[in-house]
Amino acid sequence: EVQLVESEGALVQPGGSLRLSCAASGFTFGSYWMSWVRQAPGKGLEWVANIKQDGSEKYYVDSVKGRFTISRDNAKKSLYLQMNSLRAEDTAVYYCARERCSSTSCFNDFWGQGTLVTVSS
Amino acid sequence: EIVLTQSPVTLSLSPGERATLSCRASQSVSSYLAWYQQKPGQAPRLLIFDASNRATGIPARFSGSGSGTDFTLTISSLEPEDFAVYYCQQRSNWPPITFGQGTRLEIK
Repeated sequence: EVQLVESEGALVQPGGSLRLSCAASGFTFGSYWMSWVRQAPGKGLEWVANIKQDGSEKYYVDSVKGRFTISRDNAKKSLYLQMNSLRAEDTAVYYCARERCSSTSCFNDFWGQGTLVTVSS
Repeated sequence: EIVLTQSPVTLSLSPGERATLSCRASQSVSSYLAWYQQKPGQAPRLLIFDASNRATGIPARFSGSGSGTDFTLTISSLEPEDFAVYYCQQRSNWPPITFGQGTRLEIK
């Protein structure tokens, strides 16, 4: 059974940092792109970042570029999101999600339960 | 950036009725479109990929259609558990990968 389990979120002050982790099990972690997607309270879904199987390619939404870093450790079957210079608008539930690709496109076929990050003084 | 616009924002229907949800892209995304269902307090669940392919375990009452800029998610006969928020997502021209703003399907 595929499982993705995010680390516990936190209350962080503006300008602070937090590192999220996502532990994967039930599949060959190193064979998949992985994503972070967030959802602000009462709002829709927003893609944050993704990373290729070997970590050689990483992409970010403009609003987090230079502040967030996605990484992975295939030996530990873990995905990470280092979040620096946090702002109030980063307050959201953060989901870790697996990417699966058909012959034509890719999509998120499994999601973690999400973890709440609150940025507030 | 490709903008996805979903309509209606809210759809009020009764169990047993047919639901038709729309997703329009600001430019062609070919068939690189997925649909997700999200219930309160839960993570999103993949329903449809490549515009018209049902994900594993998704009931046949869910179907997707469309290509280019106009897409539709149809639920042929609503069950009580189908009332939720639905999102479309494009993976054609990225980054960024973008989602629509969602359609809330509520019980009438």
